[in-house]
Amino acid sequence: EAGVAQSPRYKIIEKRQSVAFWCNPISGHATLYWYQQILGQGPKLLIQFQNNGVVDDSQLPKDRFSAERLKGVDSTLKIQPAKLEDSAVYLCASSSYIPGTSGGESSYNEQFFGPGTRLTVL
Amino acid sequence: GDSVTQMEGPVTLSEEAFLTINCTYTATGYPSLFWYVQYPGEGLQLLLKATKADDKGSNKGFEATYRKETTSFHLEKGSVQVSDSAVYFCALNAGKSTFGDGTTLTVKP
Repeated sequence: EAGVAQSPRYKIIEKRQSVAFWCNPISGHATLYWYQQILGQGPKLLIQFQNNGVVDDSQLPKDRFSAERLKGVDSTLKIQPAKLEDSAVYLCASSSYIPGTSGGESSYNEQFFGPGTRLTVL
Repeated sequence: GDSVTQMEGPVTLSEEAFLTINCTYTATGYPSLFWYVQYPGEGLQLLLKATKADDKGSNKGFEATYRKETTSFHLEKGSVQVSDSAVYFCALNAGKSTFGDGTTLTVKP
């Protein structure tokens, strides 16, 4: 089974420029996540999609970041304009979803991560 | 909001030593709990998981038990190896995914 694909793997830009990242999740995975991982910290969730709808984007800096998942498959994350503090690894992950049974809560499957895009803003 | 707190690292152990990495969480609802591992030069991958209270996840000699009463999911291994050197992340998912800051483990021969 093919894993989560991301591109590009590395990107260097100057501040105030724009950049876009692409993610192709594992086939059949309804849930897609974008994370920002700053060196020495854990992944911070930016946005979570369920199919092509947004489940959570509370930590997405919406004045400069945007993301879309058209057709519920591939996704792109854009930064415009970039700031120095955006230098980080951007991770995409996908997972399948386990719906709740009658009277029970839903549970969540493991996430499969892509290799990430390392962004350097100069 | 949801949060995950991991014991601060880095942790350095000798081979065959016992390992515990503490993880506590706060969450609404009924989260699933996970430990992910990142080996040097590799991407994040699942180590083990538990989806309900009192479940024990296990893999590669590592174990963690979902303790609802103490809101904890501590990672343990009875005898670590040099190949276990990595960064370990505790995470939860209760509809929204939250990760801890990671604990770096170095195992010396």
